[in-house]
Amino acid sequence: EIVMTQSPATLSVSPGERATLSCRASQSVSSNLAWYQQSPGQAPRLLIHGASTRATGIPARFSGSGSGTEFTLTISSLQSEDFVVYYCQQYNNWPTFGQGTKVEI
Amino acid sequence: QVQLVQSGAEVKKPGSSVKVSCTASGGSFTSYAFSWVRQAPGQGLEWMGGIIPIFGTTTYAEKFQGRVTITADRSTSTAYMELSSLRSEDTAVYYCARSPGSSLRVIDYWGQGTLVTASS
Repeated sequence: EIVMTQSPATLSVSPGERATLSCRASQSVSSNLAWYQQSPGQAPRLLIHGASTRATGIPARFSGSGSGTEFTLTISSLQSEDFVVYYCQQYNNWPTFGQGTKVEI
Repeated sequence: QVQLVQSGAEVKKPGSSVKVSCTASGGSFTSYAFSWVRQAPGQGLEWMGGIIPIFGTTTYAEKFQGRVTITADRSTSTAYMELSSLRSEDTAVYYCARSPGSSLRVIDYWGQGTLVTASS
């Protein structure tokens, strides 16, 4: 099983600031990495796939980078609706998720 | 538009089984793969397994091997997840999730979730 480790567990930032979330894989997953956003009481929503491709309808303030074992999700200017939880997921092998990063004010 | 509609909440006794359904619309059922992902209260996402309906093949996470069965009915565009030998730790929201193409990869759509409570 490929273990995904996200850091930090909680990120405290202010509206309008930049947020940088990290995700590390226990072995290379190439670019087979996705990011999801989950609001309270809701199903997750796909933000990024292929490590850096924004999903349909996702604002340009969300960007992804990385390959191999190290990945980053950047939110360039935080809006109020962005203060939720983010998960990375690898799909190079059968899928596994990171434990999540909560972005809070 | 794409919809994954899951069956309703369940309360089950420890040791029993639960079967959750997921009916897909808005696309050709056999053009996609379907996974089941669960989320315990206050916890993260956990992939349980998936099915590729066009091939009928299933893949299960090691943790759930022998206890979960995922099936699909192409005639009704419905995927099912059955979890047996329930224990209290299985209390969670169970999500059905769709992957484009015939492989269990990135998930582009999710169902609304089904709360399963395992309690005596």
